[in-house]
Amino acid sequence: DIQMTQSPSTLSASVGDRVTITCRASQSIGSWLAWYQQKPGKAPKLLIYKASSLDSGVPSRFSGSGSGTEFTLTISSLQPDDFATYYCQQYNSYWTFGQGTKVEIK
Amino acid sequence: EVQLVESGGGLIQPGGSLRLSCAASGFTVSSNYMSWVRQAPGKGLEYVSVIYSGGSTYYADSVKGRFTISRDNSKNTLYLQMNSLRAEDTAVYYCARIGSGWYVDYWGQGILVTVSS
Repeated sequence: DIQMTQSPSTLSASVGDRVTITCRASQSIGSWLAWYQQKPGKAPKLLIYKASSLDSGVPSRFSGSGSGTEFTLTISSLQPDDFATYYCQQYNSYWTFGQGTKVEIK
Repeated sequence: EVQLVESGGGLIQPGGSLRLSCAASGFTVSSNYMSWVRQAPGKGLEYVSVIYSGGSTYYADSVKGRFTISRDNSKNTLYLQMNSLRAEDTAVYYCARIGSGWYVDYWGQGILVTVSS
């Protein structure tokens, strides 16, 4: 099974900060990676698919990069609505989520 | 508009059974991969089961032999039959569509299953 490891687990940041979350796969997954945002009590929301493609309606301050085993999600200027938990998910071989990164207010 | 609405959750004793339903609208369940994803309280997301458009199924090791995913094409509805429930199965269960790109593109609102005596 492919394991996904996110870092950090928690990130404290301020509005306007540039934020980067890393996701590492236990083996190469090509570009078969998605990122989701989840707020408390809500279902996850798709942000990015195929490592770097922005889903429809997602603000351009979100971007994704990487391939193979190392990937990043970047928020260029953190907004109040962005405080949430973020998950990466591989879909190269079945489906596996990372453990999540909580972005909290500094 | 794509919608997924789960039902059937609740409180159940260890060893009991429960069937979750997911009524879909705006697309055809049988033409898509469909999945159940769960989230234990305060924890991350875990794939539970997937049914492929051709009918084949996938289960996480943690539920293999206890859970069964199925669909009713006439009702455009997805199911998850959960047997021999354990305390560690307590979670919010999400019905989710796996789109043509093989990632989840739509989610239901989630339904809570609590396994406790």
